[in-house]
Amino acid sequence: EVHLVESGGGLVPPGGSLRLSCAVSGFTFSDHYMNWVRQAPGKGLEWVGRSRNKDNSYSTEYAASVKGRFTISRDESKNSLYLQMNNLKTEDTAVYYCTRGYRSGGHDMEDYWGQGSLVTVSS
Amino acid sequence: DIQLTQSPSFLSASVGDRVTITCRASRGISGSLVWYQQKPGKAPQVLIYAASTLQSGVPSRFGGSGSGTEFTLTISSLQPEDFATYYCQQATGYPITFGQGTRLEIK
Repeated sequence: EVHLVESGGGLVPPGGSLRLSCAVSGFTFSDHYMNWVRQAPGKGLEWVGRSRNKDNSYSTEYAASVKGRFTISRDESKNSLYLQMNNLKTEDTAVYYCTRGYRSGGHDMEDYWGQGSLVTVSS
Repeated sequence: DIQLTQSPSFLSASVGDRVTITCRASRGISGSLVWYQQKPGKAPQVLIYAASTLQSGVPSRFGGSGSGTEFTLTISSLQPEDFATYYCQQATGYPITFGQGTRLEIK
């Protein structure tokens, strides 16, 4: 059974840093694209970034709002995905979800989601 | 960036009603559209991918259609557990984008 479990959220002051982790199980981690999606309180979903699979060298893409401040990485040995967040702003306050990308017939979807980790940026 | 605009943003309906939610893309995305359902305090779940393919385990009262720039999600007969927020998403190009959401409430 597929599981994604985020951790590392919390309260951080503006300008601070935080690293989220997503521990996965139940599938071959290196075969899948992985994403971070966030949701500000009472708002909609916003894609944060993506780590492609091993065949694509784990290359990354980012939303413009976080590019240069956030970094996505993986540790295959720990079956874990990470989101390093630097220079945090109040508008980064959100629940952060780790998602598994899945391709079927040439079409992508996020077929599994973690439970989410709340990041609050406030002084 | 490809913008996705959902309509309506809010929908009030009764159990047994047929409802349709529309998602319009700012430029053509062929059939690469996904619909998600999100209940309060929970992570979203896939309902439909590739515009019209029902995800495994999703009840058949959910259906999707469309291509290019206009897509629809239809629920043929609303059940109590369907009252939630629905989002469309495209992953044709970067950045990946979501619609703003449609909140479906009980009348």
